[in-house]
Amino acid sequence: KQEVTQIPAALSVPEGENLVLNCSFTDSAIYNLQWFRQDPGKGLTSLLLIQSSQREQTSGRLNASLDKSSGRSTLYIAASQPGDSATYLCAVSSRTGNQFYFGTGTSLTVIP
Amino acid sequence: KAGVTQTPRYLIKTRGQQVTLSCSPISGHRSVSWYQQTPGQGLQFLFEYFSETQRNKGNFPGRFSGRQFSNSRSEMNVSTLELGDSALYLCASSQDRTNTEAFFGQGTRLTVV
Repeated sequence: KQEVTQIPAALSVPEGENLVLNCSFTDSAIYNLQWFRQDPGKGLTSLLLIQSSQREQTSGRLNASLDKSSGRSTLYIAASQPGDSATYLCAVSSRTGNQFYFGTGTSLTVIP
Repeated sequence: KAGVTQTPRYLIKTRGQQVTLSCSPISGHRSVSWYQQTPGQGLQFLFEYFSETQRNKGNFPGRFSGRQFSNSRSEMNVSTLELGDSALYLCASSQDRTNTEAFFGQGTRLTVV
């Protein structure tokens, strides 16, 4: 069974700092990896999708990389802002359809 | 373009009752998946529907069921509610089954008392 781990569980940084969130998964036979953010009590907002044939994706201040062979992905956030405060979730999809396995998330607080 | 719509947003039910949650996917999306989110277990996959057929099912008891209609809208039903069913239920919409990007609704917060 696929296991997804996110480190650290919580992170607090001052505004303007660059930061890296880590995600690891046990079964490298994935289709896609997707990063989401979740604000308290809300649904998930898609940030970046990396297809299995890709190594990285970028959107604005966000950059995500994928190394299937080592079972790892990182989400890099540049010049962090207080509005980036949220829980960040990593999810990998199975080969058998739209079933995602989620990590437990990293709770990020950006201090003004 | 409208996003994924889940109704109702909040529900309070009594143990033993049943409940039905609804999800309308993004227009043109044909795959709908359901997830349960709790503080202790995180996000867990319930089931996936595509073309009105259940394609995948997670490790949940038979009290959890769902269906999908011809317009791709989906419902999930939980019978004989237990206190442990209290959770945020999230619906995800995808274009098809080739693992394209998933878009989530705001969720339905179910509280069982």
